[in-house]
Amino acid sequence: NAGVTQTPKFQVLKTGQSMTLQCAQDMNHEYMSWYRQDPGMGLRLIHYSVGAGITDQGEVPNGYNVSRSTTEDFPLRLLSAAPSQTSVYFCASSYSSLNEKLFFGSGTQLSVL
Amino acid sequence: RKEVEQDPGPFNVPEGATVAFNCTYSNSASQSFFWYRQDCRKEPKLLMSVYSSGNEDGRFTAQLNRASQYISLLIRDSKLSDSATYLCVVNGGYGGATNKLIFGTGTLLAVQP
Repeated sequence: NAGVTQTPKFQVLKTGQSMTLQCAQDMNHEYMSWYRQDPGMGLRLIHYSVGAGITDQGEVPNGYNVSRSTTEDFPLRLLSAAPSQTSVYFCASSYSSLNEKLFFGSGTQLSVL
Repeated sequence: RKEVEQDPGPFNVPEGATVAFNCTYSNSASQSFFWYRQDCRKEPKLLMSVYSSGNEDGRFTAQLNRASQYISLLIRDSKLSDSATYLCVVNGGYGGATNKLIFGTGTLLAVQP
């Protein structure tokens, strides 16, 4: 059972480049979310989804897009990378919207130069 | 005021010591409370949920005080392997919605031999 698979583990971008962080889960979870973690800031919610076709913004959505075409996949797109988006990104999923337990991917270390 | 606040530490304690962390939250409508553990450069993992009546799991005890809006985590007989960052997590947040989890910045525990 793979759980939550997040790729890539590391990425370096130049300012203005775009990229997609991939997230897939094989637990049939309805709830999926993306967080970023910065020193002294804790994990902050970027976007989340309560099911296929349904997404909503979190605390820090600007500069990011998401879509949820299937239950399994929840990619995060950076449209035009900025140095302020340098961070560690975590994808997470849970069975219910009330998040009885979040399962996290192993994280992506993103650097924007 | 932050929605979830924790003392960042670090808490440096000897093996065998008892250590307690507190966490305050601002949304009185919050209904779900958790402690997560995060090892250095790893993803967060659920340590335990926090119930109104308090709950215990081995050396770990979690308590909730709704009147004062704080939760606590007590670790007895600390082990070297308990060294990690402990994240307080509360549901609730933006606009009163209760289906989003808010993470504290974490408390760093270092158990010394």
